[in-house]
Amino acid sequence: DVQLLESGGDLVQPGGSLRLSCAASGFTFDNYALSWVRQAPGKGLEWVAAIDAAGITTYYGSSVEGRFTISRDNFKNMLYLEVDSLRADDTALYYCAKGKRVLKVFPFDSWGQGTLVTVSS
Amino acid sequence: QSDLTQPASVSGSPGQSITISCTGSNNDIGTYNYVSWYQQHPGKAPKLIIYEVSNRPSGVSSRFSGSKSGNTASLTISGLQADDESHYYCGSYAAGSPLHVVFGGGTKLTVL
Repeated sequence: DVQLLESGGDLVQPGGSLRLSCAASGFTFDNYALSWVRQAPGKGLEWVAAIDAAGITTYYGSSVEGRFTISRDNFKNMLYLEVDSLRADDTALYYCAKGKRVLKVFPFDSWGQGTLVTVSS
Repeated sequence: QSDLTQPASVSGSPGQSITISCTGSNNDIGTYNYVSWYQQHPGKAPKLIIYEVSNRPSGVSSRFSGSKSGNTASLTISGLQADDESHYYCGSYAAGSPLHVVFGGGTKLTVL
């Protein structure tokens, strides 16, 4: 079974930084694109960033471009999200999500349980 | 404000059918046959229930079906059951460079 386990969420002050991680298992990791999707408390889903299977090409949502960096380690089966210059509106549960088809970013057929980032002074 | 527009809420009685709409534009739903739908119970991660407009993943009930016409996609749930009460989100690729993904704001389904 596919498993995605996020970690690294924390309470951080505005302007601060964090590194989120997602440990993957149960599938051929380097065959699939991965994404981060976030959900603010009581709100809907927002796609944040994606990375292709090889880790070469990255894509970002307009609200995070320039502040967040997605990366992956295909040897360790790990996905990462470096989040910098954090703002209050970045407060959300951050999900790791796997593309359903080989080499396709979307749709997402597996999700982790999320890691909570809270930005507050 | 979300890129795709869904009704905030819908309701139906057990056994009935309901349809949730998802309206986009020529830049997303109108261009791509990559509309997908997700079910999210409270405190749980989203679950893929429809992909590429009308395909069901293995294990998803045939009571769930999807369709698309122009810039609007629809999710129909037939034979409503109590466990269908949940939030439902649509999503799509969006045109432009670079690639990006858009979601609807979500619809709360209440089973009366």
